[in-house]
Amino acid sequence: NAGVTQTPKFRILKIGQSMTLQCTQDMNHNYMYWYRQDPGMGLKLIYYSVGAGITDKGEVPNGYNVSRSTTEDFPLRLELAAPSQTSVYFCASRGGRSYNEQFFGPGTRLTVL
Amino acid sequence: TQLLEQSPQFLSIQEGENLTVYCNSSSVFSSLQWYRQEPGEGPVLLVTVVTGGEVKKLKRLTFQFGDARKDSSLHITAAQTGDTGLYLCAGEKETSGSRLTFGEGTQLTVNP
Repeated sequence: NAGVTQTPKFRILKIGQSMTLQCTQDMNHNYMYWYRQDPGMGLKLIYYSVGAGITDKGEVPNGYNVSRSTTEDFPLRLELAAPSQTSVYFCASRGGRSYNEQFFGPGTRLTVL
Repeated sequence: TQLLEQSPQFLSIQEGENLTVYCNSSSVFSSLQWYRQEPGEGPVLLVTVVTGGEVKKLKRLTFQFGDARKDSSLHITAAQTGDTGLYLCAGEKETSGSRLTFGEGTQLTVNP
């Protein structure tokens, strides 16, 4: 199993541009999450999904959108990039039987200039 | 207001020393986890504790969940350079609906 994979690994955007961060998991997990990690700030939840077709906002959803058309994929969309969105983005998944033990992807480092 | 407070934020020690990292909250958690994150990678789960007073050991790492399930500690015995990394605690509340709340992390550096 590849686990949780994310693409791209790095990206530089100009202010106002848009992009989609891709996330795929091959563990047949129902729950998936998007976090951002800023220096010294831990992980903040952006959006999460408890299954295909179901998504919900986390702590910091403004400026982002998600969709969950399949169990495997959970893309994160930035519509109008802003410097405040410069961060490292992590996707994670969780199986249904565990105590919310999450498996993380390697991250996408995004810079908005 | 940070729901989970970790201390210290930074820790630099020599190989062979012992250390303890703390994770504190005023809230009760149904479970609490510790993750380790290395540069350029995502966090990796170390342990989950679910019962008040529970102690779990993972080789030289000892994890404890407070009796009231509001706090936790991670103790490392005879630290090695391979223990270097960012240690994150994360808690799930019964009312959180499958969401985890993360602490801000403790950056540990073990010098040879």
